[in-house]
Amino acid sequence: EDQVTQSPEALRLQEGESSSLNCSYTVSGLRGLFWYRQDPGKGPEFLFTLYSAGEEKEKERLKATLTKKESFLHITAPKPEDSATYLCAVQADSNYQLIWGAGTKLIIKP
Amino acid sequence: EAQVTQNPRYLITVTGKKLTVTCSQNMNHEYMSWYRQDPGLGLRQIYYSMNVEVTDKGDVPEGYKVSRKEKRNFPLILESPSPNQTSLYFCASSSGTGYGYTFGSGTRLTVV
Repeated sequence: EDQVTQSPEALRLQEGESSSLNCSYTVSGLRGLFWYRQDPGKGPEFLFTLYSAGEEKEKERLKATLTKKESFLHITAPKPEDSATYLCAVQADSNYQLIWGAGTKLIIKP
Repeated sequence: EAQVTQNPRYLITVTGKKLTVTCSQNMNHEYMSWYRQDPGLGLRQIYYSMNVEVTDKGDVPEGYKVSRKEKRNFPLILESPSPNQTSLYFCASSSGTGYGYTFGSGTRLTVV
């Protein structure tokens, strides 16, 4: 069965304290792995798509990496405005649907 | 500006009163989808559409209807809303497999 597990559920960091969020997945043929950011009460905002193991993408303080079993979202020197829930989703090569993780709630304290 | 527009943003209604939540995208995307998001349950797909006149059930379709008569519009219809449909709803669109989804701002529905 295709599934996505994110860890930890919540992460509290001090401003400037770098860390990583994990997204473990099981899918029969990966078409793409997606990272989103969601602020409370708002729609998820697209961050990255990763397609194959070894691929990396960066955007400001965020860097996403991919292996055959998991993806990491590395946050370098975070700021309070990086506080949000980060969602991971995978798409199998058999259909359009996304399989979503439950998310990691990130809180950056000043 | 490329976007997905949902209306209304907030809606309070009574049990059994039919309602429609509209969704429109201006990116010429073929794929559109409706999700609901509830605390502790994450995003769950209600219905999706791969093109005009092509729709299919997601994980939680009971109590909902959709239609896709035009490429840009994908309304969500609740024929007889019940309190367990109180939730935050999102419409999303994508240009195809392997591409990210663009989400609308959400519709917070309360059924009393």
